[in-house]
Amino acid sequence: EPEVTQTPSHQVTQMGQEVILRCVPISNHLYFYWYRQILGQKVEFLVSFYNNEISEKSEIFDDQFSVERPDGSNFTLKIRSTKLEDSAMYFCASTRRAVGYGYTFGSGTRLTVV
Amino acid sequence: GQQVMQIPQYQHVQEGEDFTTYCNSSTTLSNIQWYKQRPGGHPVFLIQLVKSGEVKKQKRLTFQFGEAKKNSSLHITATQTTDVGTYFCMNRDDKIIFGKGTRLHILP
Repeated sequence: EPEVTQTPSHQVTQMGQEVILRCVPISNHLYFYWYRQILGQKVEFLVSFYNNEISEKSEIFDDQFSVERPDGSNFTLKIRSTKLEDSAMYFCASTRRAVGYGYTFGSGTRLTVV
Repeated sequence: GQQVMQIPQYQHVQEGEDFTTYCNSSTTLSNIQWYKQRPGGHPVFLIQLVKSGEVKKQKRLTFQFGEAKKNSSLHITATQTTDVGTYFCMNRDDKIIFGKGTRLHILP
């Protein structure tokens, strides 16, 4: 069964450093998403991406965050200057259409900011 | 703002007992999705409901969407240890909103 692949599985970074989280969505999916889940809390939507541009973003997705699809397969989330409160599990997800289909999530990247 | 409230937060059941989690909204929802997240795992899509009063079944799991489309439930019959995890609902209308989830513990 097709999977969404995320790398790395765990990233430890110093506060103030830039991190890039990588995702390879399912190949025939058109909509891509980043979510985060702070330990023990609910999943929170960050951003959705379609047709090479951001289609929607949440209040969490401020100027510190950016997304990119640098080639035909990768989808990245960049955090420019990490803060302690950015520590969370970051999930990438993709879906074939914006509505009517469930999201396929990757296994996540656990980001720890120290 | 738009919210989906999920109850209970935790549920401990004996293996073989039934389990139900509820998702409630103050506004009418056009759709509701349910996901399962195993401990340490990622969310896995279970089902989507869109019609008023809709009932869908997947083996021991029964999903319902209320007549007013303001609430939904997930019921598991005769729980098994493999059912352990957090079940959460999600709505995708104006915003993508997840419930906080119900964590299911199975006592052997």
